Amino acid sequence: DAKTTQPTSMDCAEGRAANLPCNHSTISGNEYVYWYRQIHSQGPQYIIHGLKNNETNEMASLIITEDRKSSTLILPHATLRDTAVYYCIVRVVQGGKLIFGQGTELSVKP
Amino acid sequence: NAGVTQTPKFRILKIGQSMTLQCAQDMNHNYMYWYRQDPGMGLKLIYYSVGAGITDKGEVPNGYNVSRSTTEDFPLRLELAAPSQTSVYFCASSYSRGTNEKLLFGSGTQLSVL
Repeated sequence: DAKTTQPTSMDCAEGRAANLPCNHSTISGNEYVYWYRQIHSQGPQYIIHGLKNNETNEMASLIITEDRKSSTLILPHATLRDTAVYYCIVRVVQGGKLIFGQGTELSVKP
Repeated sequence: NAGVTQTPKFRILKIGQSMTLQCAQDMNHNYMYWYRQDPGMGLKLIYYSVGAGITDKGEVPNGYNVSRSTTEDFPLRLELAAPSQTSVYFCASSYSRGTNEKLLFGSGTQLSVL
């Protein structure tokens, strides 16, 4: 599975869009980009995933560059409850392992 | 559905003791995983299973054993507990079907080895 690089921490003002970047320059053609988040000490929560097209769901949007070497998770209107550690993961679907990196600690401030 | 159920929620062990962390899911998921998370750190994969009777090592399998005799259950065994195994343990499961695989996590087991 490809490695990912994320900033250690980010701040965002409440009500603003939070844009979380992720670099995955060694991603393979059959690897998807997944995003999970972990609020405080709870179990991680699935947010979104995609292969090469941009994706949107009720929680967030995922923008993947054309060369697929990086992506951005967008929380359109961040709230205080979005304060969490966000993990970007690349893996082959049905490939078994899901390896977490260090993630980005997002702090949403009033 | 109850989702992914982990027991116990908290446990204190003495060095050298053994115990089994239980994980059960009622969603007929084929994939199951065990992770550990040390304070302030990310999750590390211990073992995973792609179906009943099949298990494989993750990043940090030493000191642990698993079995998957049924689709529903995936217990994690610590044989000789050591202080380095003090951590929060998360179990997860997923149903691998096409491109819609999403992991669902349990609430965790906080283990202290003293």
